[in-house]
Amino acid sequence: NAGVTQTPKFQVLKTGQSMTLQCAQDMNHNSMYWYRQDPGMGLRLIYYSASEGTTDKGEVPNGYNVSRLNKREFSLRLESAAPSQTSVYFCASSEGQGPNYGYTFGSGTRLTVV
Amino acid sequence: GDSVTQMEGPVTLSEEAFLTINCTYTATGYPSLFWYVQYPGEGLQLLLKATKADDKGSNKGFEATYRKETTSFHLEKGSVQVSDSAVYFCALSAGFYGQNFVFGPGTRLSVLP
Repeated sequence: NAGVTQTPKFQVLKTGQSMTLQCAQDMNHNSMYWYRQDPGMGLRLIYYSASEGTTDKGEVPNGYNVSRLNKREFSLRLESAAPSQTSVYFCASSEGQGPNYGYTFGSGTRLTVV
Repeated sequence: GDSVTQMEGPVTLSEEAFLTINCTYTATGYPSLFWYVQYPGEGLQLLLKATKADDKGSNKGFEATYRKETTSFHLEKGSVQVSDSAVYFCALSAGFYGQNFVFGPGTRLSVLP
């Protein structure tokens, strides 16, 4: 039972480098999300995809882009990494949108930008 | 906007002690409320939820009651174990869209044998 799979688990980038964080879910969920987790700030939503073919900005979208490749996969791209993007990134999915749906999370990607 | 406030801790308890982690919220409308748990090196896992006032969510000995009058959803457990050591997040979902899912800052719990 894989659930939500994120790759890579760890990454170190130099300022200005680019990279893509991958996320895939096998639960046939419609909605997918990218969060970043910073100490003392909880989780903040970067982007989300309510359904295949749609994406929308969350609370902190600057410096990121996303692609909902298909129903299973939702990637997050950093075009020009900055030290402020050092964080732990979590992908999540939910069966649908709305207040009754909880989220299933991946195990995270720890990104350090030097 | 919507927000969640919870005690940040860290909270340190001895095994078999009683646990309370306070959570209060501000939201328009009638949110659903959640507790998530994050064990070291892992992602968040749904612990329990309540979708309307006076509902009690429970799982693995943890309980929380949705109190609309005090806008609270405090997490309790009667007897904690070392394996309960983790970070606990209170969260709410108030609207239809993904950006309406709001997390608190998390409370780190350490249980000592």
